[in-house]
Amino acid sequence: QKEVEQNSGPLSVPEGAIASLNCTYSDRGSQSFFWYRQYSGKSPELIMSIYSNGDKEDGRFTAQLNKASQYVSLLIRDSQPSDSATYLCAVKHTNAGKSTFGDGTTLTVKP
Amino acid sequence: NAGVTQTPKFQVLKTGQSMTLQCAQDMNHNSMYWYRQDPGMGLRLIYYSASEGTTDKGEVPNGYNVSRLNKREFSLRLESAAPSQTSVYFCASSEILTGHGNTEAFFGQGTRLTVV
Repeated sequence: QKEVEQNSGPLSVPEGAIASLNCTYSDRGSQSFFWYRQYSGKSPELIMSIYSNGDKEDGRFTAQLNKASQYVSLLIRDSQPSDSATYLCAVKHTNAGKSTFGDGTTLTVKP
Repeated sequence: NAGVTQTPKFQVLKTGQSMTLQCAQDMNHNSMYWYRQDPGMGLRLIYYSASEGTTDKGEVPNGYNVSRLNKREFSLRLESAAPSQTSVYFCASSEILTGHGNTEAFFGQGTRLTVV
């Protein structure tokens, strides 16, 4: 079992819809959770982080964490074509440690 | 411009050749990382340096060596390149960001390495 698993893609949604990206992790002691966006041929960029159970909202993005279920998700509301990218989930065992990344989910938002 | 700078951006090596990938950051970050990314996959940690003078192995260290030359620079060396090392290499640095904790928030532009 991989340490961090993301729902297999690609995921395609129409413009204006909600895109839901999911991630599960195996290390129950994980403390920090992150979502990165990576455009094709570019480097990853951090878009969200979450540390406590519940929801965290930032603009059109909402990260959700459920430590009991070892599950973290990213919701993108009012999806735009510019959101088309690969989204990487990353998990840290400790706040100061190194991250483990999932393989990513590719999202396409169709106009 | 502030950030993480990697050189070179592209490189083609023959099997058995050696090379060093350079990475420098000018943000005074303590922690630096080297990742590789293969097609359709996420980032896999090769080595990291929590602070100047320290380095530790990551998930896939075989075939690589690193040097934390100073606080700014963290280089990755391939001693004898193999086709399996064909990949995109990213250097990253991290700091404690308000609201984000300590995370690899700053990535270089990547080095696309092909070993033939």
